[in-house]
Amino acid sequence: NAGVTQTPKFQVLKTGQSMTLQCAQDMNHEYMSWYRQDPGMGLRLIHYSVGAGITDQGEVPNGYNVSRSTTEDFPLRLLSAAPSQTSVYFCASSQQGVSGNTIYFGEGSWLTVV
Amino acid sequence: SQQGEEDPQALSIQEGENATMNCSYKTSINNLQWYRQNSGRGLVHLILIRSNEREKHSGRLRVTLDTSKKSSSLLITASRAADTASYFCATPYGGSQGNLIFGKGTKLSVKP
Repeated sequence: NAGVTQTPKFQVLKTGQSMTLQCAQDMNHEYMSWYRQDPGMGLRLIHYSVGAGITDQGEVPNGYNVSRSTTEDFPLRLLSAAPSQTSVYFCASSQQGVSGNTIYFGEGSWLTVV
Repeated sequence: SQQGEEDPQALSIQEGENATMNCSYKTSINNLQWYRQNSGRGLVHLILIRSNEREKHSGRLRVTLDTSKKSSSLLITASRAADTASYFCATPYGGSQGNLIFGKGTKLSVKP
């Protein structure tokens, strides 16, 4: 049972570098999203997608880019990494529902920008 | 800005005791969820309560929802050391049912 798979698990970047965090789900979920988690801040929504070809901004989208070319994949791109983007990133997916969906999370990607 | 706020921020109890965590939120909702996060891991869904429900049970978990006070509580009965984790409440983000906005969490420590 793969569920939501994120790679890489750990990454160190230099300021100004770009990188892509990969996310894949095998549950045929329509909704996918990216969160970042910082100490004492809980989780904050970066970007989300309600289906292939459709993306939208969350609470903290600046400095990040996403695309959704397939149902399964939802990569998160850091265009020019900054120390403020040091965080733990979680990808999540859920199935379209009438009222309330259980969200399934990946195991997280620890990113350090130096 | 975050919708939900958990209280207390940290809670330390002995094994066998009950643990109660509270969540307050700001705007009207049609459901509220609780998640658990073990250290260094992703979040795991515990329970969902809809706005027309006042109480819901799942094993040793009991969740209440008071929409008039915009608050919810999570009770873990007969706690175990394995319940040590952070617990988050979450509500739907904007108009999308597929995304949630989370509180900052309650860090629960259960001592054997």
